Amino acid sequence: DQQVKQNSPSLSVQEGRISILNCDYTNSMFDYFLWYKKYPAEGPTFLISISSIKDKNEDGRFTVFLNKSAKHLSLHIVPSQPGDSAVYFCAATYLNSGNTPLVFGKGTRLSVIA
Amino acid sequence: DGGITQSPKYLFRKEGQNVTLSCEQNLNHDAMYWYRQDPGQGLRLIYYSQIVNDFQKGDIAEGYSVSREKKESFPLTVTSAQKNPTAFYLCASSSRDRGPGETQYFGPGTRLLVL
Repeated sequence: DQQVKQNSPSLSVQEGRISILNCDYTNSMFDYFLWYKKYPAEGPTFLISISSIKDKNEDGRFTVFLNKSAKHLSLHIVPSQPGDSAVYFCAATYLNSGNTPLVFGKGTRLSVIA
Repeated sequence: DGGITQSPKYLFRKEGQNVTLSCEQNLNHDAMYWYRQDPGQGLRLIYYSQIVNDFQKGDIAEGYSVSREKKESFPLTVTSAQKNPTAFYLCASSSRDRGPGETQYFGPGTRLLVL
């Protein structure tokens, strides 16, 4: 049973436009959420995170929104650039439970077209 | 230059053979993790260790074994019992001391292929 779901396997966006990647979770105990970016044959790199006490966190072109009642979060990239083309993974964890593993979604492949 | 190293980058396994993937970190992190990535499957947790000499099974531990004798090292052995070992293997580490939340840092990965 998937606890973190990314229902769109792929997304194509034109350069300069907004990219919106979505993620849903089923476990209401999750209280910390992260987005990772991954290029082929490389390890994922941390992008941005959000705690459940917030509903928005912004870092440059990247903004993550959290809707706890809907158990939904989204990553907005604006403006999108060709270098943003990668697979994006949503992940969730429990903040106060020690070094607990992250639970990952299956990823969304973003293609930014020049 | 702190980070996580994984070796080798590519590894070939023959039928019935055990192989060991190396993971080393010099970030002084307490916790280390092993994930497996298959196409369309995302990252699935194999094993993790929160402290030296202790480790727990993840979601897909069958056919794998680990050890954690040193804080900086967390090798993964893919045994002959793992019937479908071809995948991209990722090691990660994390530390609560980095502040609120938990950010895992990943190594570059090892691709395992069966001959």
